[in-house]
Amino acid sequence: AQSVTQLGSHVSVSEGALVLLRCNYSSSVPPYLFWYVQYPNQGLQLLLKYTTGATLVKGINGFEAEFKKSETSFHLTKPSAHMSDAAEYFCAVSDLGGGSNYKLTFGKGTLLTVNP
Amino acid sequence: DADVTQTPRNRITKTGKRIMLECSQTKGHDRMYWYRQDPGLGLRLIYYSFDVKDINKGEISDGYSVSRQAQAKFSLSLESAIPNQTALYFCATSDFTGGGDTQYFGPGTRLTVL
Repeated sequence: AQSVTQLGSHVSVSEGALVLLRCNYSSSVPPYLFWYVQYPNQGLQLLLKYTTGATLVKGINGFEAEFKKSETSFHLTKPSAHMSDAAEYFCAVSDLGGGSNYKLTFGKGTLLTVNP
Repeated sequence: DADVTQTPRNRITKTGKRIMLECSQTKGHDRMYWYRQDPGLGLRLIYYSFDVKDINKGEISDGYSVSRQAQAKFSLSLESAIPNQTALYFCATSDFTGGGDTQYFGPGTRLTVL
């Protein structure tokens, strides 16, 4: 069974500082990995995803994440935080559950606060 | 217009009432999902449907039922609502691409059961 652990339910950074949101996963097979963002009073939207190929994945709004198989990690980073980045971020993993039975398992989320 | 819509957006009901949450999509996707979100618990899968005739239970299906009326419509019902079903409910869709499918989420329905 797959699972996702997001370290830190709440991360606070200053505007212009590095953003680092941590995600570790467990999966019995090579996973597909996702980061979603949820702005207040909205649904989730995809930031970026890793399927195959290059392990450094670039997403929207200047975010990127690196798949590290040896560390079973998929941490999300952004070099310089902006006030508009304040949101909740969810890491998710998808792997083959049988046939074409791909399902997402989400982490519990990390709330990012950006201070002026 | 939004690709995935949910109605109602907010609902307050009483214990024991039957409630239906509706989801419609214009993305043409075969796969649809219902999740609930609780603070500190992330999103948990209630039911999912890979096509009109294929409906499957997720990890927390007890107390819920679903109906896939058409490719574009997927409804979630609470037959007899209870207070611990108070949560934010999301519908999502995806198109099977061989794995790593992106899911597209609706805006959510905030349900309060008194």
